[in-house]
Formats: sequence, structure tokens, C-alpha cells
Amino acid sequence: QQQVKQSPQSLIVQKGGISIINCAYENTAFDYFPWYQQFPGKGPALLIAIRPDVSEKKEGRFTISFNKSAKQFSLHIMDSQPGDSATYFCAANGNYQLIWGAGTKLIIKP
Amino acid sequence: DAGVIQSPRHEVTEMGQEVTLRCKPISGHNSLFWYRQTMMRGLELLIYFNNNVPIDDSGMPEDRFSAKMPNASFSTLKIQPSEPRDSAVYFCASSLGVFSSYEQYFGPGTRLTVT
Repeated sequence: QQQVKQSPQSLIVQKGGISIINCAYENTAFDYFPWYQQFPGKGPALLIAIRPDVSEKKEGRFTISFNKSAKQFSLHIMDSQPGDSATYFCAANGNYQLIWGAGTKLIIKP
Repeated sequence: DAGVIQSPRHEVTEMGQEVTLRCKPISGHNSLFWYRQTMMRGLELLIYFNNNVPIDDSGMPEDRFSAKMPNASFSTLKIQPSEPRDSAVYFCASSLGVFSSYEQYFGPGTRLTVT
């Protein structure tokens, strides 16, 4: 019930393409869903977040799509760039602690 | 602001030795988190403090691990004795609020290698 399942584990996308990472959860009490981005040798940093009262949130090339009935949410990166190569984590608010997905290593090929 | 500061950045030690990791959270943040990151287990929350008080330490692997937060600007994570399986990157993060819906700001991490 407390898990957040993230897929795929790794993803290779051509420059200019769309990168899509998916997450699924079980606990309907979760009320906040952030995505964190981590570059090698750095700590994760908040990229974008959504609450379940909206179905989509867009910030620049990054969009979260949220499907409350399916208990799924996804990160879309439009016009993917080599600088987007990083590990991406989805998470869900479990009251006072975040429940983290396993991470997706994204590689953008030039 | 300097962000979350962690020291040391790298630590190599022998099995059985005591290891102390240090963290200075962002000024004004009242929540502090210690995480461990490995390839096998991903990001694991070890312990969470709010207003310097440990709220949940259920993620601490065993009694060899202990954490303290003597004041709002300093926290330590101690491993005694250390074992090779403790090798990982340890992150400290801080946030403004008590709930995890507040953004967590991560430090650069301490890469621990136990030989």
C-alpha cells in the first residue's frame, strides 16, 4: 500500500524526442506527487510536483500527467536534450515522509 | 544561501571503525532527513527530525546506526561499528515544513566506503 512503482528502470531517447516515465501507487490517501531529478554526484532536486485535484501540470518542457482513477502519474519531457540526462525519481506524500519510486536513468543521445 | 552542507564528501574506512557524517541544514528549515542511496535499494529514509526531535527512526537499519540533532543547525549520523554493507551514499535533506508536501532540499551527499 505504501509503495510507488516506477518504470522503466532505464530509458534512452534521441535528442529532440519525448521522454516518458511512469509511476503507479496504491494508497489513495497520497495527496502530493513530486518528481525529483538527480545528476551524478549530486543530491536529488525537486523538478515539478502535482496535487491530485488537477490532471496535468506543465513547467517549460516538463509535464506531469495525473490519472487519479487509475492511480498513475507520469513525467513527460518534451524536446529532450542531452542536459536532461539524469536519474528521475517519482514520489508520493505519505504524510510526513515521501514514498520514493526506484528511479529511472534517462540518457538522451545527441 | 549555501544550501544543505554535508561533510565529509568522501569517507573510506575499515570495517569495525566508527564513522560520523555531518549535516548543516538550510537556515530556517525545521525538518531534517537522513537518506541512504544504493544501487540495490534506491533511496531509503533512515530518520526524520522535526524541530530537532527525532520523529521516526524506523528506517535506521540496526543499533549500529544513531543520529542526533543537538540544535537547529547541525545533525550527525554515526555508524559504530561500520561494516562493508554500509557502503553507500548518505544524503541529508531539509525542508521548511513538517509534512513531506514541502520541498526537500538535498545536500551533495557523503560517499562512504567501508573496506
